[in-house]
Amino acid sequence: EPEVTQTPSHQVTQMGQEVILRCVPISNHLYFYWYRQILGQKVEFLVSFYNNEISEKSEIFDDQFSVERPDGSNFTLKIRSTKLEDSAMYFCASSDALGEAFFGQGTRLTVV
Amino acid sequence: AQSVAQPEDQVNVAEGNPLTVKCTYSVSGNPYLFWYVQYPNRGLQFLLKYITGDNLVKGSYGFEAEFNKSQTSFHLKKPSALVSDSALYFCAVRAYYNQGGKLIFGQGTELSVKP
Repeated sequence: EPEVTQTPSHQVTQMGQEVILRCVPISNHLYFYWYRQILGQKVEFLVSFYNNEISEKSEIFDDQFSVERPDGSNFTLKIRSTKLEDSAMYFCASSDALGEAFFGQGTRLTVV
Repeated sequence: AQSVAQPEDQVNVAEGNPLTVKCTYSVSGNPYLFWYVQYPNRGLQFLLKYITGDNLVKGSYGFEAEFNKSQTSFHLKKPSALVSDSALYFCAVRAYYNQGGKLIFGQGTELSVKP
């Protein structure tokens, strides 16, 4: 069964450092997303990506964040200068136009 | 604007009893509605969806949900709960017109099933 894969599963970084979270979406999906969840709380939308550009982003997704699809398979989220409050689980997801989004297992980001 | 409300932070049921996890939504136009389950330290797993058609939809692990347009609700149900159903459940909505658009999630309901 196709699945979304994310690496690494856990990332510890010092405040102010750059991190890149990586995702491989399901191959025939066209829409890609990043979501964030702080300590088992609400799942918050960060950004959606379609046709090689951002289609929608939330207030959380400020200038410190960027996304990229560098090749035909990977989808990355970069945080340029991490803050303590960026500590969270980050989930990548992909979907077709109308269906459900499939989520990866997440990357736990800890900023110290 | 889209929004989802899950009015109960926690639902407690005894094993073998029916369970209901409530969800109401607000969206412009027709909604696409989804339920996801999250086990500890895991990602979100898709359970079921309503796109169109029959208001009662069936999904994984014996779960079902009923779409009620007049009440703007999409409650998750199961006739007989299992201890293994204990997890965090999220309702989500996407606007019909917004193909490929973001899912907006409710705050989650923790389901606890006791033996």
